[in-house]
Amino acid sequence: AQSVTQLDSHVSVSEGTPVLLRCNYSSSYSPSLFWYVQHPNKGLQLLLKYTSAATLVKGINGFEAEFKKSETSFHLTKPSAHMSDAAEYFCVVSLLAAGNKLTFGGGTRVLVKP
Amino acid sequence: GAGVSQTPSNKVTEKGKYVELRCDPISGHTALYWYRQSLGQGPEFLIYFQGTGAADDSGLPNDRFFAVRPEGSVSTLKIQRTERGDSAVYLCASSTHSGSGTDTQYFGPGTRLTVL
Repeated sequence: AQSVTQLDSHVSVSEGTPVLLRCNYSSSYSPSLFWYVQHPNKGLQLLLKYTSAATLVKGINGFEAEFKKSETSFHLTKPSAHMSDAAEYFCVVSLLAAGNKLTFGGGTRVLVKP
Repeated sequence: GAGVSQTPSNKVTEKGKYVELRCDPISGHTALYWYRQSLGQGPEFLIYFQGTGAADDSGLPNDRFFAVRPEGSVSTLKIQRTERGDSAVYLCASSTHSGSGTDTQYFGPGTRLTVL
């Protein structure tokens, strides 16, 4: 079985300051890990994915995430938040053995203050 | 190119009625997934198609839910005798199937179902 825990349901940051969204996963096998973003009334968009290559993964819009197997974590960061980053972010795990179906975390809603 | 499309974007129905939700995947994508997102939660897996066949329907909550993909492209999610608890956003995603487990799933905008 696989599961994902996003440690913060809400994160509030000021524009121009760093963003950290925390994610821990549980998986019996080597998983693929993803971060998706969902803007209000829009579809889910892939930010980045980890697929057992480099442990530091760079994504779109300046986001990156680091896979740490020893900590079973896949935290998402961005050095400087922009107003357009206000959205809901989902950490996601999938397993080839599970037919690649995605298991989502509960989501973290990011608020960016001017 | 065109992304995943879903129709209708919104559906309001009465308890006990039957509804169909449609998904048009990205052309050439053999894998198609349905998820359900309740308010304030992350999406939950319902069913996965590889080609025309349902490879995994373990997420369907009960036998009122059924999905088909007869020609390996468009898929329809069917809900019989709708209940108020079925109200949610139903998301469709498609991907290639490389067999590596790393294929990206591309999501449609969803259908918001409201059961009165």
